[in-house]
Amino acid sequence: DAGVIQSPRHEVTEMGQEVTLRCKPISGHNSLFWYRQTMMRGLELLIYFNNNVPIDDSGMPEDRFSAKMPNASFSTLKIQPSEPRDSAVYFCASSWGQRLPLHFGNGTRLTVT
Amino acid sequence: TQLLEQSPQFLSIQEGENLTVYCNSSSVFSSLQWYRQEPGEGPVLLVTVVTGGEVKKLKRLTFQFGDARKDSSLHITAAQPGDTGLYLCDNNFNKFYFGSGTKLNVKP
Repeated sequence: DAGVIQSPRHEVTEMGQEVTLRCKPISGHNSLFWYRQTMMRGLELLIYFNNNVPIDDSGMPEDRFSAKMPNASFSTLKIQPSEPRDSAVYFCASSWGQRLPLHFGNGTRLTVT
Repeated sequence: TQLLEQSPQFLSIQEGENLTVYCNSSSVFSSLQWYRQEPGEGPVLLVTVVTGGEVKKLKRLTFQFGDARKDSSLHITAAQPGDTGLYLCDNNFNKFYFGSGTKLNVKP
């Protein structure tokens, strides 16, 4: 089992640029979650999907953030345009069902200058 | 919203010492997960507790779920540097909220 795979591991970009983060969940898992982690706010849930359908996106900070899950094995989180306050570590997690323990990827560290 | 409070926020101890960290809620948990996050990695599940009063042991780690299912504790015996990390609890209810975590540093 390869686990949840995120790419890239690190992303440095300038303010105003578009950023796309990618996630491959564990095969067979049907729920996928995007989190953001900062020192100030801890681990925040942004959005989660069940069977590729967005269930709750109330944690998405604003319209600059969007997430898609075109199929069961791939999801993206896009920020356009990016701002310095978006700098954080973004985690993807997957699970079988919406109430079972989560399996996290190793995150993407985003720095917006 | 079911708020989770974890304490202490930071803990720095010497190798060999014992410690306890806590996770509390104003509401009843349906179940509760404890995770450990090491630097540069994602959180990894340690244990799930479901039944009020439940005690689970994982080597030197002892997890307890309160009788009323509103609080939980994690006790580490004879801490080792490998225990260093961020300990998070998650209520696994509805929106998968995590507590802010306890950052543990075990010095050799």
